[in-house]
Amino acid sequence: KNQVEQSPQSLIILEGKNCTLQCNYTVSPFSNLRWYKQDTGRGPVSLTIMTFSENTKSNGRYTATLDADTKQSSLHITASQLSDSASYICVVSAPRTGDMRFGAGTRLTVKP
Amino acid sequence: KAGVTQTPRYLIKTRGQQVTLSCSPISGHRSVSWYQQTPGQGLQFLFEYFSETQRNKGNFPGRFSGRQFSNSRSEMNVSTLELGDSALYLCASGFSGDSYNEQFFGPGTRLTVL
Repeated sequence: KNQVEQSPQSLIILEGKNCTLQCNYTVSPFSNLRWYKQDTGRGPVSLTIMTFSENTKSNGRYTATLDADTKQSSLHITASQLSDSASYICVVSAPRTGDMRFGAGTRLTVKP
Repeated sequence: KAGVTQTPRYLIKTRGQQVTLSCSPISGHRSVSWYQQTPGQGLQFLFEYFSETQRNKGNFPGRFSGRQFSNSRSEMNVSTLELGDSALYLCASGFSGDSYNEQFFGPGTRLTVL
């Protein structure tokens, strides 16, 4: 069983709408959790990175939240744009080893 | 400042052959990590190098190896290629080697094994 589970697998929304992507993890302990955006045919781009002591981190229209007690994170996208169409990947890193566990990603499609 | 570059961008090999992929990190970055991405398995961590030393290693067979040079450029080698090695291989660089290291990914090398 993957230690990082993302939901939904895919999502289609209309331009201008908000959406929330979920990430549940079992990696413990962990040192930080990151959200990446990956456009088709390109490498991932970092959106946010949070340590276990942080609850929220924003990057423009992207806001990530973290609940270390329930081992859940979410990525909220506000006022979606067509360029938000991409895969969003949640990554959890273990302390000391820095071992990274990746979620399978959520494929977001924003339609006009 | 130039981003992470990877060469070649595309590669076609046959089973049993070996392949070497190259990654040039962003100037000043000393940490280089390699990842394999496939539709079925998603992104998987291969290994990380910092100042020419392998710091972390993922769960891949010994056919996968790498090294880092004094100028921080890194190479990854896969020997005795298998069909299942077909994937996008991504390289990422960062300033430091700690786990909070901000990583910047390259465009990847698309490897196809026939």
